[in-house]
Amino acid sequence: EAEVAQSPRYKITEKSQAVAFWCDPISGHATLYWYRQILGQGPELLVQFQDESVVDDSQLPKDRFSAERLKGVDSTLKIQPAELGDSAMYLCASSHPYRPRATGELFFGEGSRLTVL
Amino acid sequence: QQQVKQSPQSLIVQKGGISIINCAYENTAFDYFPWYQQFPGKGPALLIAIRPDVSEKKEGRFTISFNKSAKQFSLHIMDSQPGDSATYFCAAPGAQKLVFGQGTRLTINP
Repeated sequence: EAEVAQSPRYKITEKSQAVAFWCDPISGHATLYWYRQILGQGPELLVQFQDESVVDDSQLPKDRFSAERLKGVDSTLKIQPAELGDSAMYLCASSHPYRPRATGELFFGEGSRLTVL
Repeated sequence: QQQVKQSPQSLIVQKGGISIINCAYENTAFDYFPWYQQFPGKGPALLIAIRPDVSEKKEGRFTISFNKSAKQFSLHIMDSQPGDSATYFCAAPGAQKLVFGQGTRLTINP
């Protein structure tokens, strides 16, 4: 069964350092999402891509976060510099375009857990 | 901007009992309203979803009840089992995205 791949699974870093997360969506899924999930809360959308274009990055803290999906396939989310409040699970999800509207379904990866010390 | 409120935050149910989780949304939407299930260390996975023009949908032991006029929907888990222990999230359609509730940690005691 196809899955969304994410790496690393766990990352511990000191504040002010740079961190990067990678996501490989399910093959053929044109839409890719990065969500942040703070412990005890629901996922919050950071950025949404349609192919290589950003559809929504309204909740992305652009002073320190950046995301790219250069060839419209895999994607990287970067944080520089990391702050204590960035400690969270970073989830990548993918879908066919408009599929969530028809089914409510996003396919999530297992996430990358970030701890900032 | 779509807003979603989920309750309760945590729930403990005896094995065989009925688990009920509630969700309220703010903005009318015409796309599917899903419930997601998340086990520790895993990403959320779709459990069941309902169209807003349907009042109830049942899949096995899981049922969504949808009240369009009240802008509320709920998840019912019948004959709850220890394997159902997980965190459950409701979600509502926003502008080209799903907006998730804060989650309910469900524990089924054997």
